[in-house]
Amino acid sequence: AQSVTQLDSQVPVFEEAPVELRCNYSSSVSVYLFWYVQYPNQGLQLLLKYLSGSTLVKGINGFEAEFNKSQTSFHLRKPSVHISDTAEYFCAVSSSGYSTLTFGKGTMLLVSP
Amino acid sequence: EAGVAQSPRYKIIEKRQSVAFWCNPISGHATLYWYQQILGQGPKLLIQFQNNGVVDDSQLPKDRFSAERLKGVDSTLKIQPAKLEDSAVYLCASSSRDLGFLGELFFGEGSRLTVL
Repeated sequence: AQSVTQLDSQVPVFEEAPVELRCNYSSSVSVYLFWYVQYPNQGLQLLLKYLSGSTLVKGINGFEAEFNKSQTSFHLRKPSVHISDTAEYFCAVSSSGYSTLTFGKGTMLLVSP
Repeated sequence: EAGVAQSPRYKIIEKRQSVAFWCNPISGHATLYWYQQILGQGPKLLIQFQNNGVVDDSQLPKDRFSAERLKGVDSTLKIQPAKLEDSAVYLCASSSRDLGFLGELFFGEGSRLTVL
């Protein structure tokens, strides 16, 4: 079985500050990891994904994430956030050999001026 | 390229009534998913279709929920009878190939259900 834990339900930050959204996963096999973003009243949109190779993954809108197998983590980072980054962010995991995507509960990023 | 289309966007019903949601995936996408997103939680997979066959429906409450994708294109999710705990956003997603190789699901805007 696979699961995802997003420790923070809300993360408030000021504009232009750095941010890190935490994600930990559990799985008995190799994993593929994803971050999705959901803007208000919209569907989910893929930010970035880790399938294999380099553990540092760059995505859209200046976001990046680092896969850490020993800590079973896949934290999302951005060096300088904008007001427009205000949204809910979901971490998700899929195990090799399976196609089911399991989502965390989400982290609401609140960027204020 | 048109995205995943869902309707209706909003629906309010009384408990024990029935409701149906429709989804049209991106053209050519063989895999279609229905997710349930309850307020404050992440999306939970209800059912996954590959063309018109069911791949995974292990979390679908089959006593009240049903879904079909008869021609391998659009899909309908039905709830009958609805319960208060069915209040949620129902998300449809599609992908063009096996998730393990591509990893990207394309989501519609969702259908928000309120059961009173």
